[in-house]
Amino acid sequence: AQSVAQPEDQVNVAEGNPLTVKCTYSVSGNPYLFWYVQYPNRGLQFLLKYITGDNLVKGSYGFEAEFNKSQTSFHLKKPSALVSDSALYFCAVRDVIDSGGYNKLIFGAGTRLAVHP
Amino acid sequence: GAGVSQTPSNKVTEKGKYVELRCDPISGHTALYWYRQSLGQGPEFLIYFQGTGAADDSGLPNDRFFAVRPEGSVSTLKIQRTERGDSAVYLCASSFQLTSYEQYFGPGTRLTVT
Repeated sequence: AQSVAQPEDQVNVAEGNPLTVKCTYSVSGNPYLFWYVQYPNRGLQFLLKYITGDNLVKGSYGFEAEFNKSQTSFHLKKPSALVSDSALYFCAVRDVIDSGGYNKLIFGAGTRLAVHP
Repeated sequence: GAGVSQTPSNKVTEKGKYVELRCDPISGHTALYWYRQSLGQGPEFLIYFQGTGAADDSGLPNDRFFAVRPEGSVSTLKIQRTERGDSAVYLCASSFQLTSYEQYFGPGTRLTVT
């Protein structure tokens, strides 16, 4: 079965430092991978996706993610963290086996990012 | 433009009651998804609509849950004989078409069953 794992419940980083939020996946075939962010009292917002092509994917708000097939990872990164980046981050994979071409997503449990001034 | 809206934002109901949760997708979006997010977990897929029809309802936990989208726009998730275990945030998302990768999520309805 398709799945994603986010091994860290929380990541703490100082403002201005680089940040990494980890995600590993398990899929049959080629993975379609996504990152979403959830701010308090707001809906999940799409950050970026990997479908095919370059392993380094750039997304919204200065975030990027690196697809690593050999390590089955899709870690989210940002060179310089902002306090406003503090939120809940979800990695997701498209459920290709059951999906009839549409994007039925399987989410990880989420990682809370806390950026301290 | 307007995003996905969901009403009510909060719903408290007694065990055994019936509830309806409403989702207004972005205008023109044909694909609509419902997810359920329990405390400390990521969203879990419930059902997917393409237009008016439920193309995949494999995530609905049991026959107490039902969803409709009669005119291909607004969708209603219906839960009969609610149980305490149904307490969660119910999220709706829409996308432009079947193959669109980006889903736009609403703020959710927090359902509490007492």
